[in-house]
Amino acid sequence: EPEVTQTPSHQVTQMGQEVILRCVPISNHLYFYWYRQILGQKVEFLVSFYNNEISEKSEIFDDQFSVERPDGSNFTLKIRSTKLEDSAMYFCASSGTSGTYNEQFFGPGTRLTVL
Amino acid sequence: ILNVEQSPQSLHVQEGDSTNFTCSFPSSNFYALHWYRWETAKSPEALFVMTLNGDEKKKGRISATLNTKEGYSYLYIKGSQPEDSATYLCALANQAGTALIFGKGTTLSVSS
Repeated sequence: EPEVTQTPSHQVTQMGQEVILRCVPISNHLYFYWYRQILGQKVEFLVSFYNNEISEKSEIFDDQFSVERPDGSNFTLKIRSTKLEDSAMYFCASSGTSGTYNEQFFGPGTRLTVL
Repeated sequence: ILNVEQSPQSLHVQEGDSTNFTCSFPSSNFYALHWYRWETAKSPEALFVMTLNGDEKKKGRISATLNTKEGYSYLYIKGSQPEDSATYLCALANQAGTALIFGKGTTLSVSS
């Protein structure tokens, strides 16, 4: 069964460093998303992406964040200069269709720890 | 700002017990509600997408109902098994379907 994969599973970085989190969405999907969950809090929406453009972004997704689909298979989230409060589990998701009823398929997450 | 609440936060039941939990949301501006099952160290797995008031969906021993007028959805598990142990998340879709707004989840633990 097709699945969303994410690498690495755990990333440790120093405050101020840049990190790139990688995702391989399901191959025929066209809509891509990033979410995060800070420990003990709700899963929060960061950004959605379609046709090489950001469709929607939350207040969390400021200038420190960027997304890219560098080739036909990868979807990346870059944090330019990490802060302690960026420590969280980051989830990538993809869907084959748009709309409120579209099922989003999630990856297993990357746990980011900023020291 | 959409706010999704889930209760209880955690639940511990014995194998064979039936259980249910609640997802509450603002009844205005409802578009769709998604239920996910999330086991530790695995990907959250979609259970149901519900869109119509009065919807009832079922997958094996798990079922869900939706009341958009009063702003809640129930998830039921009949005859809980240890493999049902997981966190159950509900999420509202925004109008464009470009984002899901999640509740905090209900963590279910089933003892054999």
